[in-house]
Formats: sequence, structure tokens, C-alpha cells
Amino acid sequence: QVQLQESGPGLVKPSETLSLTCTVSGASITSYYWTWIRQPPGRELEYIGYIYYSGSPNYNPSLKSRVTISMDTSRNQFSLKLTSVTAADTGVYYCARAARGLDVWGKGTTVTVSS
Amino acid sequence: DVVMTQSPLSLPVTLGQPASISCRSGQSLVYSDGNTYLNWFHQRPGQSPRRLIYKVSTRDSGVPDRFSGSGSGTDFTLKISRVEAEDVGVYYCMQGTHWPFSFGQGTKLEIK
Repeated sequence: QVQLQESGPGLVKPSETLSLTCTVSGASITSYYWTWIRQPPGRELEYIGYIYYSGSPNYNPSLKSRVTISMDTSRNQFSLKLTSVTAADTGVYYCARAARGLDVWGKGTTVTVSS
Repeated sequence: DVVMTQSPLSLPVTLGQPASISCRSGQSLVYSDGNTYLNWFHQRPGQSPRRLIYKVSTRDSGVPDRFSGSGSGTDFTLKISRVEAEDVGVYYCMQGTHWPFSFGQGTKLEIK
């Protein structure tokens, strides 16, 4: 059974960098696309970007200047970095498998941007 | 960006009755490979979304057959033949054809 688990700080100060990791079990991260999605409070889901081990990551243009998604095949993990955060980046962050279909999701982790 | 518009945004339904959610995209969701990447997700309060249907009408494993998806091009529908208590929550459509992929605003289903 494939499982994904997000981890990282729940509180980030404005202007700093948000860093999250998704640990994958039950599947090799070299075999699928992997995605980050977020959900601001009371708002719809927003696609952040996805990565495949043999290609370049693909980022939502609305966040492209601040986002980096990377992969650590030795740990079967992939990560998200979002720089220069503001309160608008507060929300629940999810990692998921696949790009077009999102068939397996992590439970999500809440990140609050506040001083 | 492709805008996904769902209706209604709130859907009160009596147990055992049918329910239907519409999702319209700003452009055709037919991809160059011939597939239409339209998914439906269900999110219960405090949980992550769960995919119910992919490529318009294919149900995921374990999804009850009371859920069905249909549509083509820009107009899509999720139908629940007989609503059960466990179906409450928010339903999202999502397109995976045009980058950046995008979600609808969500439809909140509640029991009357």
C-alpha cells in the first residue's frame, strides 16, 4: 500500500523559506510523478508543481519564482521549498502521487506564516 | 489558466436521493494523446482529498458504483445515484490537461 507523509515546520516567519518533505513508502519515487498541492484556509486547492526523477520539475507560473521541488532517491523522498513567504502562503500543504491524476495523497500538513 | 467552474456550490440532499454536480472548464480538456484528464475528488472534513473518478468516467478501486462520472469537452458531471451519510463533504473536479492543472471551487454536499 502506497503511503505519503508530509513533514516540516508548522510555523514560518514572513519573508523566510518554507521547507517541507514528503516521505513515500510502498512505491519507488523513480517510478512516478510526484506533486505538491496546497489549500489556503476556506479556499480551493492550488497546484504548486510536480517532479519526475528523470526530468525537470514543472511549477505553477503563479509561484515559479519562489518554488523549488527536488527529489532524494536514496531516501525515497521529495521536497518543497517556497521562499519569501507571506501570510497568503498559510494553508494545508499536501503531497500526492502522479501529476494529471493525483491518485494517492498524504494527510497534509498545516503551515502558518506569522511572526 | 483553465478555470474550472462547479455548480452548485452547496448541495443539500435527502438520504437515499440522487445528487448531481456540474463542472465546466474554460477550454476543452481533450489532451493531445486523446485522453481527457478530468478527475473528481471527495474531501471529508479534516481529511485529505480522495480521488473517486479519473479520465471523466473511470471509478477508482473501492469507490461504490453509486458514483458515476460523465461528460466531454468542457462539460462534466458527477452523479451519486443514492446519497448515503458517508458522502457528506466537499467534491472537487480537477483538470490535468492544461498546465497549470487546476481545481474547481468545490461543492459542499450535506444531508437535509
